[in-house]
Amino acid sequence: EVQLVESGGGLVKPGGSLRLSCAASGFTFSNYGMHWVRQAPGKGLEWVSSITRSSTYIYYADSVKGRFTISRDNAENSLFLEMNTLRAEDTAVYYCARENYGDYVWDYWGQGTLVTVSS
Amino acid sequence: QSALTQPASVSGSPGQSITISCTGTSNDVGGSNYVSWYQQHPGKAPKLMIYDVTNRPSGVSNRFSGSKSGNTASLTISGLQAEDEADYYCSSYTGRTTLKFGGGTKLTVL
Repeated sequence: EVQLVESGGGLVKPGGSLRLSCAASGFTFSNYGMHWVRQAPGKGLEWVSSITRSSTYIYYADSVKGRFTISRDNAENSLFLEMNTLRAEDTAVYYCARENYGDYVWDYWGQGTLVTVSS
Repeated sequence: QSALTQPASVSGSPGQSITISCTGTSNDVGGSNYVSWYQQHPGKAPKLMIYDVTNRPSGVSNRFSGSKSGNTASLTISGLQAEDEADYYCSSYTGRTTLKFGGGTKLTVL
């Protein structure tokens, strides 16, 4: 069974940092591109970042470029999101998602981890 | 980037069919074969229902179907069931890491 389990969310002050993790199981992690997608409370979905299978290509939304860093460890079946210089508008549930069926199509999602940026 | 336009809410009775629209421009929905639809129940992660405009992933009921005409994509749910009550989001990928989401539609089953 495919499982994605996020962790690392919490309350952080504006300007602070946080590192999210996503533990994958039930599939060959290194065969899939992975993404982070977020959802602010009561709002819609927003794509955050993506990383290809071997980390060759990495992309970011303009809203997080220069502040967030995506990475992965295929040996540990894990995806990461390093978030720096956090802002109130970064408050959201962060989901990791597996890309399948084509670019930016996600067939499995984690349960999400809540990041709250507030003083 | 402007979001794609979806109705805020739609409703239908059990057994009926409903359609949710997703309107963009010729630069996104109209020019893309990469329109997807996601279902999201409260407090849960989104679930992929349709990809590439019309394709259903394995395991998704054939009561869900997708289509596109011009700059508007549509998700149709036939034989509405109580469990279909959820939020639905469309997305359109046009390459060069350009992905747009719709604002979401709340489906109420009366």
